[in-house]
Amino acid sequence: EDKVVQSPLSLVVHEGDTVTLNCSYEVTNFRSLLWYKQEKKAPTFLFMLTSSGIEKKSGRLSSILDKKELSSILNITATQTGDSAIYLCAVPGGSEKLVFGKGTKLTVNP
Amino acid sequence: DADVTQTPRNRITKTGKRIMLECSQTKGHDRMYWYRQDPGLGLRLIYYSFDVKDINKGEISDGYSVSRQAQAKFSLSLESAIPNQTALYFCATSDFGATDTQYFGPGTRLTVL
Repeated sequence: EDKVVQSPLSLVVHEGDTVTLNCSYEVTNFRSLLWYKQEKKAPTFLFMLTSSGIEKKSGRLSSILDKKELSSILNITATQTGDSAIYLCAVPGGSEKLVFGKGTKLTVNP
Repeated sequence: DADVTQTPRNRITKTGKRIMLECSQTKGHDRMYWYRQDPGLGLRLIYYSFDVKDINKGEISDGYSVSRQAQAKFSLSLESAIPNQTALYFCATSDFGATDTQYFGPGTRLTVL
């Protein structure tokens, strides 16, 4: 059965801290891994990582795929209160459905 | 204008009532999905449709039904709502050529009393 596990489930930091969120997966025929950010509304797409694109960066956010370890990390540097959200990791599973992890709830305190 | 819209945004109903949640998209995507989100359980797939004539059950389809009225419209129905269907419901779309990236609607918060 396809599975995505995220850790930690929740994290509280202070503004300016750097955080690392983890995602591990078990899926047949790995194709890609996606990161989403969910604030008080719909998840919004952040990154997609593939075998040909194992590292992505956008501003203070960056993500790396480790195919050997079947995992990915999402780094956020110099965190701001606006980074507070649930971060979701997902991989395409059987029948091209996305399998989501339970998410990491990040709280950034001023 | 939003690419993926959902109506209603909030709904409170009673046990046993029939409820329909609607999703429309202007992205021109073939594929549409319905998820529910519960605290601590993440996003779980209810139904998905790869085109108007293709409807598939997800991991938690019991108690739900769907209708794909057109490429742009995908409705989710609860025939007889029960309290444990209280959740946040999301519609999402993806493109045939890039199915990995799904775009989500704003969500419908449903409360069944």
